[in-house]
Amino acid sequence: DGGITQSPKYLFRKEGQNVTLSCEQNLNHDAMYWYRQDPGQGLRLIYYSQIVNDFQKGDIAEGYSVSREKKESFPLTVTSAQKNPTAFYLCASSIGGAQLETQYFGPGTRLLVL
Amino acid sequence: GQSLEQPSEVTAVEGAIVQINCTYQTSGFYGLSWYQQHDGGAPTFLSYNALDGLEETGRFSSFLSRSDSYGYLLLQELQMKDSASYFCAVKDNQGGKLIFGQGTELSVKP
Repeated sequence: DGGITQSPKYLFRKEGQNVTLSCEQNLNHDAMYWYRQDPGQGLRLIYYSQIVNDFQKGDIAEGYSVSREKKESFPLTVTSAQKNPTAFYLCASSIGGAQLETQYFGPGTRLLVL
Repeated sequence: GQSLEQPSEVTAVEGAIVQINCTYQTSGFYGLSWYQQHDGGAPTFLSYNALDGLEETGRFSSFLSRSDSYGYLLLQELQMKDSASYFCAVKDNQGGKLIFGQGTELSVKP
């Protein structure tokens, strides 16, 4: 079955720690996205990548980093510089940047700070 | 800048029809998308309107008026499982990313 997987489902971060959220897709999509969602809020874009080995900052990139070494994978690192990381993180993909209106989302990772 | 406005909450009864409105302000417009998100779940794509008019997909329809910078999602024959948040979204003016509204929480009552 084609789709997007994210792991882990829940992640706990200690003070000063970097953590990495995994996102993998087998849809053969070129474009991938990371969003942050806070309770009762919409989705805010952290980073996006329209092609392998290239990515752009979204609206709230500070304190986050990404890589896109493979088409299937777009991991997100939440660094210690992100002072308020507790949120629901969603990864998505689309066929291409030109068709980004139709995005397919993974199940999400809930990040909590200890 | 770009912004989208939608009501924060809507309540309706099972079997009824409900309309969720979305108005947008954007310097370049490509089309309006709608997504559904159940509590704790992932958003799922519902529809996309690039041209004026009504698009129907089963019990759900989506409408766009480019001249009024306005669209809506129409849900008919409401079911309890339709209780969810609904987001409208537009491409940004460079066409590289989606801008999402704050979402409308729909509660369907028996």
